[in-house]
Amino acid sequence: KQEVTQIPAALSVPEGENLVLNCSFTDSAIYNLQWFRQDPGKGLTSLLLIQSSQREQTSGRLNASLDKSSGRSTLYIAASQPGDSATYLCAQCRSGGGADGLTFGKGTHLIIQP
Amino acid sequence: ETGVTQTPRHLVMGMTNKKSLKCEQHLGHNAMYWYKQSAKKPLELMFVYNFKEQTENNSVPSRFSPECPNSSHLFLHLHTLQPEDSALYLCASSQDPKGGNEQYFGPGTRLTVT
Repeated sequence: KQEVTQIPAALSVPEGENLVLNCSFTDSAIYNLQWFRQDPGKGLTSLLLIQSSQREQTSGRLNASLDKSSGRSTLYIAASQPGDSATYLCAQCRSGGGADGLTFGKGTHLIIQP
Repeated sequence: ETGVTQTPRHLVMGMTNKKSLKCEQHLGHNAMYWYKQSAKKPLELMFVYNFKEQTENNSVPSRFSPECPNSSHLFLHLHTLQPEDSALYLCASSQDPKGGNEQYFGPGTRLTVT
């Protein structure tokens, strides 16, 4: 069974710190991996998408990496701000032949203290 | 504001009611998805539609009935639900395969079954 695991489940850090969120997946047949942000009671906002042929993607203060051989991805957040407080979800897509659903982790609940 | 809208945003229904959730995407995508997000559980894929055809049903009970009249609209018809069906229902869309299966989510419908 395909599984995605996120560690830690929750994280609280002071403003300004750099931090790393971890995601691991069991299915080696990965097409892409997508990181999302979810604010309380809201939908998902896509942050970064890494194709299986790529090793990393960057957007502003965010950097996501992908290591297929070890089944891991990390999301690096630089110079954290209180507005970064949210739940961060990673999701794996297996197939690229057409539309395919995503398998999600449970998320990391992040709090940035002012 | 995303290119995927969902109505209603909140819904309370009794176990004998029949209701429908609506999703519309304004992104020109060909694939649409329904996901369920329950407390303490990862997002779960329910259904996938590609060019109006259902391509995946993730063992969803028949009390949930999807409908996709065209590539821009997706419905989820609900009848005789159970209290454990209370959850946030999220719709997503993607352009596949050219779009690399990057999925864009709506804000969700918060469903409470009494």
